[in-house]
Amino acid sequence: QQQVKQSPQSLIVQKGGISIINCAYENTAFDYFPWYQQFPGKGPALLIAIRPDVSEKKEGRFTISFNKSAKQFSLHIMDSQPGDSATYFCAASWQGAQKLVFGQGTRLTINP
Amino acid sequence: ETGVTQSPTHLIKTRGQQVTLRCSSQSGHNTVSWYQQALGQGPQFIFQYYREEENGRGNFPPRFSGLQFPNYSSELNVNALELDDSALYLCASSLLSGVYNEQFFGPGTRLTVL
Repeated sequence: QQQVKQSPQSLIVQKGGISIINCAYENTAFDYFPWYQQFPGKGPALLIAIRPDVSEKKEGRFTISFNKSAKQFSLHIMDSQPGDSATYFCAASWQGAQKLVFGQGTRLTINP
Repeated sequence: ETGVTQSPTHLIKTRGQQVTLRCSSQSGHNTVSWYQQALGQGPQFIFQYYREEENGRGNFPPRFSGLQFPNYSSELNVNALELDDSALYLCASSLLSGVYNEQFFGPGTRLTVL
């Protein structure tokens, strides 16, 4: 019940296109949903995060859409660039929790 | 502001040995969490330290232990290494504010167990 399921496992998008990565969860206690970006040989870097009191959050080219009733959330990368090529992880946590529960990751490749 | 640093970068050990990994937290943070990231997987929570005491633990055996020091730096110790312990070990620091703690990760230590 504490799992976060992420899809797709890998994604190839043309430069300038929209990249979409989806996550689903079961635990209704989750109320904090961050996305991390990880480049090879580096640790995950916090990209953007959302709480369930809003349905969408946008920061630059990155947007999180959140559907509380469906227990799903997604990351949209607009105007995708080759520099966005990385592995993306969704995660979830709840107030007072010590840990983040991560999805399996999506390897995103942006073709020039 | 100094980010999270970890040492060493890479480490090779043999089965049965013991290993110590080190982490310096980001300036101003008082909490350190450790995660194990197997190849091709998401990070898995090992434990968290706050005020030099364990403050939550994931599904890892007791041979995984840790310490936090007064300057908020931390160590992860793994005894009796097994082949499956080969992974990237990530340290994340945060400020335990009682609400949500945004966790900021270091570059990790790549451990290979032969």
